[in-house]
Amino acid sequence: SQQGEEDPQALSIQEGENATMNCSYKTSINNLQWYRQNSGRGLVHLILIRSNEREKHSGRLRVTLDTSKKSSSLLITASRAADTASYFCATAEVISSGSARQLTFGSGTQLTVLP
Amino acid sequence: DTGVSQDPRHKITKRGQNVTFRCDPISEHNRLYWYRQTLGQGPEFLTYFQNEAQLEKSRLLSDRFSAERPKGSFSTLEIQRTEQGDSAMYLCASSLGVPPYNEQFFGPGTRLTVL
Repeated sequence: SQQGEEDPQALSIQEGENATMNCSYKTSINNLQWYRQNSGRGLVHLILIRSNEREKHSGRLRVTLDTSKKSSSLLITASRAADTASYFCATAEVISSGSARQLTFGSGTQLTVLP
Repeated sequence: DTGVSQDPRHKITKRGQNVTFRCDPISEHNRLYWYRQTLGQGPEFLTYFQNEAQLEKSRLLSDRFSAERPKGSFSTLEIQRTEQGDSAMYLCASSLGVPPYNEQFFGPGTRLTVL
């Protein structure tokens, strides 16, 4: 089953606007990662945020993590048409041995940036 | 191009046939993962290797599926007696370092269509 669930499922914005995607998850996590996937292609890692971090930036990306609400958000500022893609959150769940399970992906947000 | 390659990129087969996919990870990466992705969904974990050892298998990996990484380098995923429900994109990823604080580098995927 999918651990992370993204919201919204689809988002359409104009170039230059900001895009915000949310991810909710159910279990304790070690870290949360965001990936991007262009249509029919493999996934590209965007950013990783650890469970003890609250916010992280990378270029035009800003990720927040609220472990009390089991949620994360990805903000893309000043969007470009080239940002059009599917965005997935992926969680590394903590298991009893203290290590982490493999990544569990959500079903993604399809972002369309109109020129 | 992430440096992870997969072959073939597309495979069309008839129900009941066997298929084999290959993944070549980034050469210094010790971990290799297989995922399956169906349309509109995020990737679902199938199995992973640390060097040549297969350390975890998902319940999705039925007896018809087998994966190998004989020398800790490339990996193969074989599906025997394919079914229409096996139609999906099969993604391979590799990573280096101590998980889970590591990003995964994905290949372009092999799209399987079972007729």
